[in-house]
Amino acid sequence: DTGVSQNPRHKITKRGQNVTFRCDPISEHNRLYWYRQTLGQGPEFLTYFQNEAQLEKSRLLSDRFSAERPKGSFSTLEIQRTEQGDSAMYLCASTSGLQAEQFFGPGTRLTVL
Amino acid sequence: GNSVTQMEGPVTLSEEAFLTINCTYTATGYPSLFWYVQYPGEGLQLLLKATKADDKGSNKGFEATYRKETTSFHLEKGSVQVSDSAVYFCALSQTGANNLFFGTGTRLTVIP
Repeated sequence: DTGVSQNPRHKITKRGQNVTFRCDPISEHNRLYWYRQTLGQGPEFLTYFQNEAQLEKSRLLSDRFSAERPKGSFSTLEIQRTEQGDSAMYLCASTSGLQAEQFFGPGTRLTVL
Repeated sequence: GNSVTQMEGPVTLSEEAFLTINCTYTATGYPSLFWYVQYPGEGLQLLLKATKADDKGSNKGFEATYRKETTSFHLEKGSVQVSDSAVYFCALSQTGANNLFFGTGTRLTVIP
C-alpha cells in the first residue's frame, strides 16, 4: 500500500500525559499537513510542512503541540500535558504540489480520559 | 475569512433516489472548491473538484458546479446506490494557500 499511513490508529491516554503520533506520507510528496477533526465537525488545519520546513501553523496549535518532519519524509505530532479537549481524530495528508490533491491518511483517534 | 456551510444531515434516501447536498462558501478572491468523501472505516478521499467559476466537477456519477454568483457548490447524483453511504465534506482552498477549509460534513445513508 503506497498511501498515507498513520500510527497508532487509536490512542487512549490520561490527562496530563504526553502523546506522539506518526505520519508517513506518500513517498514522493514534499508537502505534509496535519488536521484535527472533532466529533460532528469537519477537519481543521493545524500545520503544514514543505520538505522539512514547517511553514504555517494554525492558531489552534497551542504551545503544547509540536510537529516535526526532520528529514522531509515522515512527520510526528506531539501533544504535551494532554487535556480532555484534545480528544479528536488527528489526520495527516500529503500532496506533491500547491494546488494538487491532498491524500489523507486514516487518522489517529485520541481519547484523553 | 474563509468558511464553508453545508446542509445538515443526516440524509437518508432510498436506492435510486436523487441526491442533493447543499454547500455554500465565504471566501475572498477565487478559491478552488472540493467535495471529499469518507466511507466507513476509511480516510478522506477526494470525490471531485472545480477550480474556477462555472467549472463542473464530476466523478462516479456525482456532479457539482462552481457558482460564483451564489457562492455555492452543491453536490448532486441522479441515482444513489447503497455503496454511496458515507460522510461528504465540502471544502475550499484559497489560491496560493496551503490548507483546506472544510464544512461540517453530511452523513448520507442509502437504504435498499
